Amino acid sequence: ETGVTQSPTHLIKTRGQQVTLRCSSQSGHNTVSWYQQALGQGPQFIFQYYREEENGRGNFPPRFSGLQFPNYSSELNVNALELDDSALYLCASSSPRQNTEAFFGQGTRLTVV
Amino acid sequence: AQTVTQSQPEMSVQEAETVTLSCTYDTSESNYYLFWYKQPPSRQMILVIRQEAYKQQNATENRFSVNFQKAAKSFSLKISDSQLGDTAMYFCAFMIIQGAQKLVFGQGTRLTINP
Repeated sequence: ETGVTQSPTHLIKTRGQQVTLRCSSQSGHNTVSWYQQALGQGPQFIFQYYREEENGRGNFPPRFSGLQFPNYSSELNVNALELDDSALYLCASSSPRQNTEAFFGQGTRLTVV
Repeated sequence: AQTVTQSQPEMSVQEAETVTLSCTYDTSESNYYLFWYKQPPSRQMILVIRQEAYKQQNATENRFSVNFQKAAKSFSLKISDSQLGDTAMYFCAFMIIQGAQKLVFGQGTRLTINP
């Protein structure tokens, strides 16, 4: 197992609600990336945080937002949930100055009803 | 546009056989990395093998090896002596070195190893 932990593992929300997903990065990693993986698809890049600053963003609307804390853990917030937001949300931590390997957590399965 | 295409949605082989998973990609960048990730039912993405685009030599990792054809933008994964534990979704991905080091994934290939 990697040192990346995500919580919660599963979550059910109602359309229109807001959700916060959490990720603890591997020790020594200062970069966290978030990905959305719809059922039967490959993961899609949402955004990346490096030293508490957003360092790149994929094609996701502003209702997807994030934070990174001084200990490099991170949150993904999604407002005004839509049915299509139902997916597996993966967090990956890395240290770009060391190597390019990203270590993934086990994901949060979000279901919007 | 940066894209990854995996043309085989599903594959199935017998234990101990060799299997090759295909991947093609498209990017105008010259400096990037290529990866194969494995995603078992536990959902966690596990790195199988990595290839630096500037290296001509194909990467190998025990039973796993790649055939990297840069001009053709092809990056196939060969699994030798396949084992039941190799059953999983396999994703091909690349990462541009500059800027946000995001991974661009393909759609995946579901590989089943039969006893």
